[in-house]
Formats: sequence, C-alpha cells, structure tokens
Amino acid sequence: QKEVEQNSGPLSVPEGAIASLNCTYSDRGSQSFFWYRQYSGKSPELIMSIYSNGDKEDGRFTAQLNKASQYVSLLIRDSQPSDSATYLCAVRGGATNKLIFGTGTLLAVQP
Amino acid sequence: NAGVTQTPKFQVLKTGQSMTLQCAQDMNHNSMYWYRQDPGMGLRLIYYSASEGTTDKGEVPNGYNVSRLNKREFSLRLESAAPSQTSVYFCASSDIVSPQYFGPGTRLTVL
Repeated sequence: QKEVEQNSGPLSVPEGAIASLNCTYSDRGSQSFFWYRQYSGKSPELIMSIYSNGDKEDGRFTAQLNKASQYVSLLIRDSQPSDSATYLCAVRGGATNKLIFGTGTLLAVQP
Repeated sequence: NAGVTQTPKFQVLKTGQSMTLQCAQDMNHNSMYWYRQDPGMGLRLIYYSASEGTTDKGEVPNGYNVSRLNKREFSLRLESAAPSQTSVYFCASSDIVSPQYFGPGTRLTVL
C-alpha cells in the first residue's frame, strides 16, 4: 500500500462545476495535510493546508479532512479552465515527520 | 522575498559530464530538499538537509551528492551524469512543521 494515494485521473469536469479530488493516506499518526497545484512545466504551488478534522475554506477551495477514515479531499467550486492542472496531496507523517507526496490527480476543466 | 531560487533553469549535459545545481532560500527555513520529477513517477526525494550541517539520503540518492553550504544554500552535484538522470529537479525548503515551498525547477537533459 502506498503511503499517500491519489487517483491519477484525468478528472474531467465542465466549467462552473464542482471538482472533487481525493487522497487517502496510511499513517494514522499524520497531523498535517497539504494540497499543491502544479501547472504543466511549473513547480508545485501550495494552495491549502489543513490540520484538524472538518472543512477549511479559502475562496473557491475547500479542504476536507477525516482522520478516522484517513481521507483528505479538495473541492473546487465554480471550476475554471485555469484550474486545469495536476493536484498533489501531501501528508506529514506522524512518526517520521517527513512530508510524503501522492503522485497527483490531473484535473481538466472543459470550457 | 524571492522565496526559493534555483540555477540554472535549463541544462544539457553529455554522458559523463559533471555539474552542480544551486538552490537558495530567503525564508530562514531550517530544512531543504532536492527532488526529481519524472513523467508518471511523481516527486521523488533525492537528498534532504534537516538543518544546517546535516544531510541525509532520500528515496533515490545514487549518482548524486549534496552540500548544505549554509542555512540559505543547498547544492546538488552530479559527478558523472547518465541519461537516466534526465529529469526535472526541484529544490524545496520548510521549517519542521510547515509545508514545503518549491523553487522553479531545473530541466536537465543528459545525452
């Protein structure tokens, strides 16, 4: 089992729809969770951090964390073509404190 | 603040040549990292430095060496480049519980 798992996609959504990106992790002691956006040919850019169970909203982005289910998700409301990118989930392990990245989900927002 | 900077942006080497990739951060972070990213493989950690004066191997250290020159700078050296080292290289920095912040990357081709 991979430490951080994401569906590679592509996830295709129409413009204006809600995009839902999911991530599961294996280390039950993990305390910090991050979402990065990576445009093609660019470096990963931090877009959301979440540390406690529940939802955290920032503009059109909502991060959701459920530690009991070892599940973290990112919702993008009113998706725009400019949101088309690869989204990386990253989890900081409880025991090692290392940041482990998933392989990313490619999101394509269709005009 | 420039954040994390990397030089060069692009490089083409012949097999057997050596080169050093430079990375600097101005966020006063203690920890710095070198990753490589290949299509379909996600980010793979090459080496990291948890604090000034320390370095440790990551997931794929073979063929690379690093130097933590001071708190700001962390360099990656390829002593004898091989075609398998063709990749995009990212430097990142963080504090112990913060997310990692990435530089713009170096695109390396080894012929």
